[in-house]
Amino acid sequence: EAGVTQSPTHLIKTRGQQATLRCSPISGHTSVYWYQQALGLGLQFLLWYDEGEERNRGNFPPRFSGRQFPNYSSELNVNALELEDSALYLCASSLGTNSYNEQFFGPGTRLTVL
Amino acid sequence: KQEVTQIPAALSVPEGENLVLNCSFTDSAIYNLQWFRQDPGKGLTSLLLIQSSQREQTSGRLNASLDKSSGRSTLYIAASQPGDSATYLCAVSPGYDYKLSFGAGTTVTVRA
Repeated sequence: EAGVTQSPTHLIKTRGQQATLRCSPISGHTSVYWYQQALGLGLQFLLWYDEGEERNRGNFPPRFSGRQFPNYSSELNVNALELEDSALYLCASSLGTNSYNEQFFGPGTRLTVL
Repeated sequence: KQEVTQIPAALSVPEGENLVLNCSFTDSAIYNLQWFRQDPGKGLTSLLLIQSSQREQTSGRLNASLDKSSGRSTLYIAASQPGDSATYLCAVSPGYDYKLSFGAGTTVTVRA
């Protein structure tokens, strides 16, 4: 069974540009979560989508946004990139709100902002 | 706000020694607790999930305990091997929400 997949593996952008990161959950999982792992800051919760709806977002500015598609895959968009947005972005999936919420993570997308 | 602390931040042991990793959290109203392993620059691998009603979970050489009332969990790794070298993270999920709050991790080095 395929795990959570993320693309691209690496992404290099310059300040002010936009970045789009993609995630495909494990088959049968309806919830997708996004986390940011910046150097020295640990793992921070960004967004949670379930059944196509945004259920919760962390303490991040509105230029971090996303969506979940009918096939449960998800996209994270970061507008007006800043140097401090450089981080490993991790996507996780779970069976959704009627489960024990065991989250399974993908390999991550390394975003570098120059 | 849930605060998760992991002590020690780093640990170095000789091969064969048992590992004990600690995790504490400030709000005992959790839904579950998960332990993860992260290799440098990689994603997270789920090791164990303990539901709030459980006191421990075991998988192979790994055993995790949970004491909700005192806000603590411990991950035991028996007979450590060099391949166990990684950063171990604990994360808790609150009862009202499904987002995970992570500790900073314990970086383990097992010396051959």
